[in-house]
Amino acid sequence: EADIYQTPRYLVIGTGKKITLECSQTMGHDKMYWYQQDPGMELHLIHYSYGVNSTEKGDLSSESTVSRIRTEHFPLTLESARPSHTSQYLCASLGGWNQPQHFGDGTRLSIL
Amino acid sequence: ILNVEQSPQSLHVQEGDSTNFTCSFPSSNFYALHWYRWETAKSPEALFVMTLNGDEKKKGRISATLNTKEGYSYLYIKGSQPEDSATYLCAFIGTGNQFYFGTGTSLTVIP
Repeated sequence: EADIYQTPRYLVIGTGKKITLECSQTMGHDKMYWYQQDPGMELHLIHYSYGVNSTEKGDLSSESTVSRIRTEHFPLTLESARPSHTSQYLCASLGGWNQPQHFGDGTRLSIL
Repeated sequence: ILNVEQSPQSLHVQEGDSTNFTCSFPSSNFYALHWYRWETAKSPEALFVMTLNGDEKKKGRISATLNTKEGYSYLYIKGSQPEDSATYLCAFIGTGNQFYFGTGTSLTVIP
């Protein structure tokens, strides 16, 4: 069974705060992804990583940053949260190109 | 950003009805197509990974077909049950290995 964890599940926080969304997987997958989804819209890739010390921006421009210091951990950081960052953020990992992605439960972020 | 379209956007069917929906994607630079089921308050769950033109996959009452030449995939559900209610997502993976998701089809099965 796939094991990928995101915390927190829900976060309501004020403008200007620094936020880190956590994502961890125990499957040893090299490839990890962050998606952003607004209601009624498709999942948009904002960051991905193909291994330790490798990070790339996705198609959707995002003010967030990511790091990949350990294989199992791929946190996403917003240095100064704004209301426009309100969205759902999903983390996923991939073992191989012919395999499906494994998703976390997501973080619903609301910036007041 | 590549265009991956799913239709219909939402669907309500009676329990026991069979249904199908469509995922359209670019017919060039194809590598794979994924189908996922996403239930409310849960994470998306993989249904199928399809890579070859003409692929047909089946999992219980759910099946899928793939036409890479014309750029579409169909997902079929036979004898829909209330537990099939979910959003069904498709994802196109191109030869650049990036994932492009459709907006999903929201299925509600009425008991």
